[in-house]
Amino acid sequence: GDSVTQMEGPVTLSEEAFLTINCTYTATGYPSLFWYVQYPGEGLQLLLKATKADDKGSNKGFEATYRKETTSFHLEKGSVQVSDSAVYFCALRISAGNKLTFGGGTRVLVKP
Amino acid sequence: NAGVTQTPKFQVLKTGQSMTLQCAQDMNHNSMYWYRQDPGMGLRLIYYSASEGTTDKGEVPNGYNVSRLNKREFSLRLESAAPSQTSVYFCASSETGMNTEAFFGQGTRLTVV
Repeated sequence: GDSVTQMEGPVTLSEEAFLTINCTYTATGYPSLFWYVQYPGEGLQLLLKATKADDKGSNKGFEATYRKETTSFHLEKGSVQVSDSAVYFCALRISAGNKLTFGGGTRVLVKP
Repeated sequence: NAGVTQTPKFQVLKTGQSMTLQCAQDMNHNSMYWYRQDPGMGLRLIYYSASEGTTDKGEVPNGYNVSRLNKREFSLRLESAAPSQTSVYFCASSETGMNTEAFFGQGTRLTVV
């Protein structure tokens, strides 16, 4: 079945460091790919998405590129802030009808 | 904008008790979902409803039932709670389509003792 694998955390960084969170997927067909973020005590919210191969999603300084050849959608940010401390989830959707499949989540802690 | 509203926010149950988690969305979305979140396991889909009048099992449906009461509301019922159902439950909704954003409620933290 469809699945998403993320690097395990926690990832601890200093402010202004470079962040990468790896995400790979297995899917029958051509999924849409998403990154969601969960801040402490809150529900998930969409961070960015990409809908076809070589698309780059970007938002709030975060970027991820849909790589069909490596079935990956790695999340990157060039300079993190304390406010980026959260849990990040990679997800895919394989059809319009309609469920999202999530990875295990990666907790990121940014220290001043 | 209310978005997706879940009730209650917190609940403690004794083993064997039953309860219903309520979820309502005001965005006129066709699709609604129930997920559970456990440490180290991410979000796992319990049930989803692609449209009013339809429901389908997700990855971990055992011990749960759902009702899509109307387009706005999608409830999750635990008939006989077990400690293994201690978790944080999230309801979400989205419009139909491959690329649409899912909107999540704030979650219900359920403890079964």
